Amino acid sequence: DADVTQTPRNRITKTGKRIMLECSQTKGHDRMYWYRQDPGLGLRLIYYSFDVKDINKGEISDGYSVSRQAQAKFSLSLESAIPNQTALYFCATGRLGNEQFFGPGTRLTVL
Amino acid sequence: LAKTTQPISMDSYEGQEVNITCSHNNIATNDYITWYQQFPSQGPRFIIQGYKTKVTNEVASLFIPADRKSSTLSLPRVSLSDTAVYYCLVGDNRGSTLGRLYFGRGTQLTVWP
Repeated sequence: DADVTQTPRNRITKTGKRIMLECSQTKGHDRMYWYRQDPGLGLRLIYYSFDVKDINKGEISDGYSVSRQAQAKFSLSLESAIPNQTALYFCATGRLGNEQFFGPGTRLTVL
Repeated sequence: LAKTTQPISMDSYEGQEVNITCSHNNIATNDYITWYQQFPSQGPRFIIQGYKTKVTNEVASLFIPADRKSSTLSLPRVSLSDTAVYYCLVGDNRGSTLGRLYFGRGTQLTVWP
């Protein structure tokens, strides 16, 4: 079983809809992250959390919100999706240090 | 967070050694240098990390000169399956940068038969 799972793997939605992307991990890590990747670009950090009570904005948090429901779960929400949020979204986990473990990604298309 | 500069793309042939150099002129004293590999439609995967001199693991070697303003990822005898994007990152391994990693555009390595 994968250590970091993301659901759904693919999602097509319409402008204005609310979307939630979910991430679960079995690695026992405290730190969880949400990144966005656009074609040909590197990853950009949306939000990160160091424990259940800790939520921090990353580089591009506008238009997104997150919820850390438990140590193992970190959800990303798009309150009102817009086309330029079409991208590949990755969840990652980690401990202290620079080694992060990434999920398989969610491909989101906003029409 | 220290930014990095690396070539946008590189080409190689199977069996050759590939060296990808990364510049990080503003690296801080507590920063470590970390490399990730990403295949299409997959999340990045940690390859190697180092602070100074040389680090080697089963996948790659990392060479860091004394001034630490650059680093070189060395992939011995590449195969077609090494075709991927390689990211060089710098960050404080103790977490004072709060575990935030900056992924630039990376280097697209293409290995040809």
